Amino acid sequence: DAKTTQPTSMDCAEGRAANLPCNHSTISGNEYVYWYRQIHSQGPQYIIHGLKNNETNEMASLIITEDRKSSTLILPHATLRDTAVYYCIVRPTGKLIFGQGTTLQVKP
Amino acid sequence: EAQVTQNPRYLITVTGKKLTVTCSQNMNHEYMSWYRQDPGLGLRQIYYSMNVEVTDKGDVPEGYKVSRKEKRNFPLILESPSPNQTSLYFCASSFDRLNTEAFFGQGTRLTVV
Repeated sequence: DAKTTQPTSMDCAEGRAANLPCNHSTISGNEYVYWYRQIHSQGPQYIIHGLKNNETNEMASLIITEDRKSSTLILPHATLRDTAVYYCIVRPTGKLIFGQGTTLQVKP
Repeated sequence: EAQVTQNPRYLITVTGKKLTVTCSQNMNHEYMSWYRQDPGLGLRQIYYSMNVEVTDKGDVPEGYKVSRKEKRNFPLILESPSPNQTSLYFCASSFDRLNTEAFFGQGTRLTVV
């Protein structure tokens, strides 16, 4: 499974866009990029996933570079409730391998 | 409402006293799994099940058992709990093992004294 690298922590002002980067330079052709988040010891919550193309849903947008070696999760208008640990996960099937993630602190 | 339900949410028990943490999903998902979360170690998979009567070990299966007699239920059994099994446990389910839009339960915080 491809390894991912994320910054340990980030801050974002409430109402601004939060851009969370993820490096996955060893990703292989059939591996999707997934994002989950975990709010204060609750169960992880699925956000979005993609293979090559950029994706958008009601929660976020996912931008994947053309070489697929990195991606960015965008929360367009962060709120205080978006404060959480965000996990970028790359794997083809089955088991989810959670790294340490990025702790996003949204500040008033 | 689509959900994964774990019970109990909190449990304090003594070493060696058998316990079961239940997990139930209402989405007709085939794939279910158990994770434990520990500070500094992140979430690690304990066991998973690809369908009824099909289970397999994850990364940290020692000291745990599971069963999958029905599609909706996937209980986690600790036959003889020890203090090193004190942890936060999550059950998850997804349509199949290829679909990682996994739904997680709210967690069970277990303390073994």
